[in-house]
Amino acid sequence: KAGVTQTPRYLIKTRGQQVTLSCSPISGHRSVSWYQQTPGQGLQFLFEYFSETQRNKGNFPGRFSGRQFSNSRSEMNVSTLELGDSALYLCASSLSRDRFEAFFGQGTRLTVV
Amino acid sequence: QKEVEQDPGPLSVPEGAIVSLNCTYSNSAFQYFMWYRQYSRKGPELLMYTYSSGNKEDGRFTAQVDKSSKYISLFIRDSQPSDSATYLCAMKGTNAGKSTFGDGTTLTVKP
Repeated sequence: KAGVTQTPRYLIKTRGQQVTLSCSPISGHRSVSWYQQTPGQGLQFLFEYFSETQRNKGNFPGRFSGRQFSNSRSEMNVSTLELGDSALYLCASSLSRDRFEAFFGQGTRLTVV
Repeated sequence: QKEVEQDPGPLSVPEGAIVSLNCTYSNSAFQYFMWYRQYSRKGPELLMYTYSSGNKEDGRFTAQVDKSSKYISLFIRDSQPSDSATYLCAMKGTNAGKSTFGDGTTLTVKP
């Protein structure tokens, strides 16, 4: 059974650019959550998608957005990148919304220069 | 004040030691209590979870939840160098919604 797949694994972007990260959940999992992990803030919740709809959003600016497709794959987008957006972005999938995140991807390491 | 507070560490122990990792929380609605292990440059990996109160044992790992004190612990017996990682506690209610994570404790087990 394939795990949660995130692409790309590493990214280097310049301030002001935008970036799109991708997450393919485990087959059959319909809930996808995104987290930002930084040394100073730990894991912070970005958003949750279920059945192609955003169900929950964390306390991040509108530059952070996402979407989910009919096959449950999800993308997140960050526009007008800032240096502080440098982080490990993690995606997790679960069968349903009332379950906790049992499976995380390896993450995408974003560096903004 | 954060909803979940985790002992910050770092923690360094000799091989074979018993390790205790701890978190406290403030939200009484939490019902799922999870422990994740995260190796450097990897995503978190679920180690154990407990629903509501009580203890759960899996090999060298024991998770304890004390809801009356709003305190959870993970014990690692006979610690090994391969246990060196960052350990994250996390909690969630039974309804839909996000999990809330502690900041993590970095453990080093020295041979």
